[in-house]
Amino acid sequence: DAKTTQPNSMESNEEEPVHLPCNHSTISGTDYIHWYRQLPSQGPEYVIHGLTSNVNNRMASLAIAEDRKSSTLILHRATLRDAAVYYCILRGMNRDDKIIFGKGTRLHILP
Amino acid sequence: NAGVTQTPKFRVLKTGQSMTLLCAQDMNHEYMYWYRQDPGMGLRLIHYSVGEGTTAKGEVPDGYNVSRLKKQNFLLGLESAAPSQTSVYFCASSYFGGINQPQHFGDGTRLSIL
Repeated sequence: DAKTTQPNSMESNEEEPVHLPCNHSTISGTDYIHWYRQLPSQGPEYVIHGLTSNVNNRMASLAIAEDRKSSTLILHRATLRDAAVYYCILRGMNRDDKIIFGKGTRLHILP
Repeated sequence: NAGVTQTPKFRVLKTGQSMTLLCAQDMNHEYMYWYRQDPGMGLRLIHYSVGEGTTAKGEVPDGYNVSRLKKQNFLLGLESAAPSQTSVYFCASSYFGGINQPQHFGDGTRLSIL
């Protein structure tokens, strides 16, 4: 199975942009890149996903490298409510519908 | 719109007791999932269902049973609880299967087995 690598933790200042990196050097051509986040004492929450092109939604942007071996989740203006664990996940045809969560990146927002 | 609702939110059991966790979704989703989350281990899939009347094993199915008698409900049962099953349990659903479909999660059931 293709694996993702994320930093264990990151810090950012409130109201500044945050760039959360994810490496997935063994990604296959049919793997989608998904991002979820988990706020304290809550269930995971879907953030965004993409295949090849950059994606934007109301929560965040996803920038995917041209060779697809890495991606970056961008929070344009962090708030205290964005403090959470962020998971970068690959979902591919050989993994059925299962989401395999790694350890993610714990994002701390400084006021 | 409630989304995915899990009942109960907290429970303490003694070793050997049985219980059922209920997951209900009001989004008319076909697929439903049960995960467990333990400290430092991320989420692991226990069982899942691709439609009413169907169930399938996930990554860590031992000690658990599930049923999907109605499309909106997915039940997780522990027949004889063990301390190793102390965990936070999350239910999720998706409109249908597919690698580009997001899953929607409930807020979890915190279960302690003494």
